Amino acid sequence: SQQGEEDPQALSIQEGENATMNCSYKTSINNLQWYRQNSGRGLVHLILIRSNEREKHSGRLRVTLDTSKKSSSLLITASRAADTASYFCATDSGGSNYKLTFGKGTLLTVNP
Amino acid sequence: KAGVTQTPRYLIKTRGQQVTLSCSPISGHRSVSWYQQTPGQGLQFLFEYFSETQRNKGNFPGRFSGRQFSNSRSEMNVSTLELGDSALYLCASSTPGQGLYGYTFGSGTRLTVV
Repeated sequence: SQQGEEDPQALSIQEGENATMNCSYKTSINNLQWYRQNSGRGLVHLILIRSNEREKHSGRLRVTLDTSKKSSSLLITASRAADTASYFCATDSGGSNYKLTFGKGTLLTVNP
Repeated sequence: KAGVTQTPRYLIKTRGQQVTLSCSPISGHRSVSWYQQTPGQGLQFLFEYFSETQRNKGNFPGRFSGRQFSNSRSEMNVSTLELGDSALYLCASSTPGQGLYGYTFGSGTRLTVV
């Protein structure tokens, strides 16, 4: 079952612009992770934010987490054509689940 | 450090056949998870193994099975293939404390059932 729902489903921007993707989830989490996937290949881990954190940065990435609203956002600043990919949020409920529950993803297209 | 290796990359099988997919985790990673990705259902968890023990299983029929070997390599098997089993199968490995570091995924095996 899908835990997260990304919004928007697709986003098209110009190089240099910022891209913001949102994710909502349903149950309590231990952490939330963002992954990138290029053209149906493997997933690449981008950033992880724990349930007790509100914001995290990594290079051009900024992630926020609002556990009261069960939502997260991923901001990519100064987008490049190479950022074109699908982006997925995934929640880890911790405990003895040992699994990620993924959203449906946002397809980001960065036009040169 | 070598990444997660999945073999084969592509596979075409006929309905009713069975298939075995292989995953070699990053050296030192003892947890291996499997996911199925389809356009309709998205990414869905299949199962997770740690030290040769299955710790969790997703909501898939018994035709889907897996195992892990003492060197942490894992295989998954799908018997009596159906057209709906066509998908990208992804394997991920992680270390204890995965809650801090996330998972490393392989490039996947694309299975086509005809």
